[in-house]
Amino acid sequence: GQQLNQSPQSMFIQEGEDVSMNCTSSSIFNTWLWYKQDPGEGPVLLIALYKAGELTSNGRLTAQFGITRKDSFLNISASIPSDVGIYFCAGQRFMTTDSWGKFQFGAGTQVVVTP
Amino acid sequence: DAGVIQSPRHEVTEMGQEVTLRCKPISGHDYLFWYRQTMMRGLELLIYFNNNVPIDDSGMPEDRFSAKMPNASFSTLKIQPSEPRDSAVYFCASSSTGPNTGELFFGEGSRLTVL
Repeated sequence: GQQLNQSPQSMFIQEGEDVSMNCTSSSIFNTWLWYKQDPGEGPVLLIALYKAGELTSNGRLTAQFGITRKDSFLNISASIPSDVGIYFCAGQRFMTTDSWGKFQFGAGTQVVVTP
Repeated sequence: DAGVIQSPRHEVTEMGQEVTLRCKPISGHDYLFWYRQTMMRGLELLIYFNNNVPIDDSGMPEDRFSAKMPNASFSTLKIQPSEPRDSAVYFCASSSTGPNTGELFFGEGSRLTVL
């Protein structure tokens, strides 16, 4: 199950507004991933982060790997109706070969964009 | 490029019946994951394979669940006998070691309803 704290749980915003969400953990992570899931579909990878402090953009999306390596942030600028969906963070700790690939997921942030 | 392919997309069955879900990972990926998603528990890792070998099945709910990966391009998740509480969306995901280590790609999911 989820061991990451993702907030907010939901957001209702107007088209054109910016959106910010974050994930925090008590553990240090080596990788942060951000996904978007549309209804009836699988999560789609938006951004991958591999270094503390890293700031990566994908169009109107920007994500940052926190300096403490215990958090990550996702921003969506100038939201549009198709930004509606659930956004998930996922963190990975690399400890040993057996631990590689075991991602922990946040509970998701539901984004609703009104015209 | 073909992504992760899952079948069936939807399955409705009666309690006690056997259910088999199928997954074809992205070609060249050496890790395969089975997740279950519910409203209450979010995304849960059930089991994952590396080079067709099960590495961690600690997330498998109980003995009614089993997973196999007979070759690099095919995996199954079987539930026998199925119960109503197994109703969920089951996702298969794959990833590969390499420069972009840790990018996890999901299929579109198999929505299971057990009556």
